[in-house]
Amino acid sequence: AQSVTQLDSQVPVFEEAPVELRCNYSSSVSVYLFWYVQYPNQGLQLLLKYLSGSTLVKSINGFEAEFNKSQTSFHLRKPSVHISDTAEYFCAVTYFGNEKLTFGTGTRLTIIP
Amino acid sequence: DTAVSQTPKYLVTQMGNDKSIKCEQNLGHDTMYWYKQDSKKFLKIMFSYNNKELIINETVPNRFSPKSPDKAHLNLHINSLELGDSAVYFCASSQDRSLYGYTFGSGTRLTVV
Repeated sequence: AQSVTQLDSQVPVFEEAPVELRCNYSSSVSVYLFWYVQYPNQGLQLLLKYLSGSTLVKSINGFEAEFNKSQTSFHLRKPSVHISDTAEYFCAVTYFGNEKLTFGTGTRLTIIP
Repeated sequence: DTAVSQTPKYLVTQMGNDKSIKCEQNLGHDTMYWYKQDSKKFLKIMFSYNNKELIINETVPNRFSPKSPDKAHLNLHINSLELGDSAVYFCASSQDRSLYGYTFGSGTRLTVV
């Protein structure tokens, strides 16, 4: 069975400071990993994903995540956050042939002006 | 040109009533899902259909019944609504099961009073 742990339920960060949102997974097979973002009162949007190849994946708005197999982690980072990054961030995992994504409990990122 | 559209966006109803939520996707995806997001933002899968065939049926009360008339539509009917059914319900779709992630609808906020 697969599972995802997001240790931080809330992360407050000053504007223009760096941020890391942590995600750890457990699975007995090779995994595919995702980060989704949910802005207030909206649905979830895919931010970035790791399927194979380079372990560092990037989004168009400056976020990046690194797949670390030995640490079973897929932490999300951004070197300088903006007010518009305020949202809930969800890590998710699946594997080839699986029917569903399993989501973490989410991390609320709050940007302090 | 909304990719995954849900109706209604908001639904307020009394306990004991029966209600339906509709979902349509125009992405040509072959798999559709219903997720429930509770007040703590936790996302839990309820159902999944692949080409009109039920492939995931998690432990949900049998008051919840999905229906997929074709692969572009997945509706959710709820009988005898209870206070605990209050949540945001998200429809999603994907190609090749979950491998490439989901595209989510904007959600239906159900409030049972």
